[in-house]
Amino acid sequence: GDSVTQMEGPVTLSEEAFLTINCTYTATGYPSLFWYVQYPGEGLQLLLKATKADDKGSNKGFEATYRKETTSFHLEKGSVQVSDSAVYFCALFLMDSSYKLIFGSGTRLLVRP
Amino acid sequence: DGGITQSPKYLFRKEGQNVTLSCEQNLNHDAMYWYRQDPGQGLRLIYYSQIVNDFQKGDIAEGYSVSREKKESFPLTVTSAQKNPTAFYLCASSGQEHYEQYFGPGTRLTVT
Repeated sequence: GDSVTQMEGPVTLSEEAFLTINCTYTATGYPSLFWYVQYPGEGLQLLLKATKADDKGSNKGFEATYRKETTSFHLEKGSVQVSDSAVYFCALFLMDSSYKLIFGSGTRLLVRP
Repeated sequence: DGGITQSPKYLFRKEGQNVTLSCEQNLNHDAMYWYRQDPGQGLRLIYYSQIVNDFQKGDIAEGYSVSREKKESFPLTVTSAQKNPTAFYLCASSGQEHYEQYFGPGTRLTVT
């Protein structure tokens, strides 16, 4: 079935370090791909999205490129801040009858000053 | 401000009791969703509703029930049949772009 696999966390970085969180997917159709972020004690917020192959989503310094050939959507940021500490979820969406998002298990990022 | 509200933030219940979690949205969205989040796991879909008076089971609907009598409201009842009810519950809604879901702050339910 359709699924999303993320690298296990936690990922611990120093401030201003480069971030990569890996995400790969399995889907029967042509999904749209997303990264959501969850700050402590809160719900999820949409961070960025890409709806077709080779699209690059970007927001708040984060980027991810939809790679159909490798079925990947890795999240990157050039210089992380302490305020980026959160849990990041990769997700896919298929426009079938269910209209549901399929989430990865989440990757916790901890940025130290 | 438009958004989704969930109440209460923390909820404690004894085993064997039913409990209802509230979810209200003022975004004028047609679709609403309930997810369950457990530590170290992603979100799993419990129920969703694309329109008033209609809803469908998600991946883990057993032991839960919902209603959708109003566009703004989508309450979730955790029944005594749910074997492991302790979890963080998230409500979401979406408009025309179904994939762009807006989440509430969540309710943490503890059953002892």
